[in-house]
Amino acid sequence: KAGVTQTPRYLIKTRGQQVTLSCSPISGHRSVSWYQQTPGQGLQFLFEYFSETQRNKGNFPGRFSGRQFSNSRSEMNVSTLELGDSALYLCASSFGGTSEETQYFGPGTRLLVL
Amino acid sequence: GENVEQHPSTLSVQEGDSAVIKCTYSDSASNYFPWYKQELGKRPQLIIDIRSNVGEKKDQRIAVTLNKTAKHFSLHITETQPEDSAVYFCAARPPGYGQNFVFGPGTRLSVLP
Repeated sequence: KAGVTQTPRYLIKTRGQQVTLSCSPISGHRSVSWYQQTPGQGLQFLFEYFSETQRNKGNFPGRFSGRQFSNSRSEMNVSTLELGDSALYLCASSFGGTSEETQYFGPGTRLLVL
Repeated sequence: GENVEQHPSTLSVQEGDSAVIKCTYSDSASNYFPWYKQELGKRPQLIIDIRSNVGEKKDQRIAVTLNKTAKHFSLHITETQPEDSAVYFCAARPPGYGQNFVFGPGTRLSVLP
């Protein structure tokens, strides 16, 4: 079974631009979560989508948004990029049915904002 | 909300020795505790997990223990090998958080040959 995939793997943007990242979950998984990983703040939860609906949300500004499609693929968008948005963005998928399931991570998209 | 602390932040051991990483959590209702290993430039990989109704779980050289009363859980790696060198993250899943985790800050483990 193929793992979680993310595109693009690397991205360079300038301040003020916007960016869209994509995540394809493991086949059959309906929950997709997004995390931001930085050296200073570690791994922080952004939001989770399940059946095309945002189910949970972390403590990030409204510039960070996402969506999920009927095939469970998810996109994350960051508008008006700031230098501090430079990070590794990881998505993770799971079946989404219970609170005791494992999440499997994708390889991440490394975003550099100049 | 849930807060997860992890110690130590860095750990160096000689090959063949054991390594122990400890985490504490604040929300007594958290019910699932995975450990992820992240090698440089790679994705976090689940190495072991434990659920709140279990006190200990072992998988070859890796074991995890959970003390619900004290709200802490630990990762034990025996007979360490150079390929165990990585950053290890503990995590907790509090109720009402969906599929998502609150992660500890990570422990950088170096296994010296």
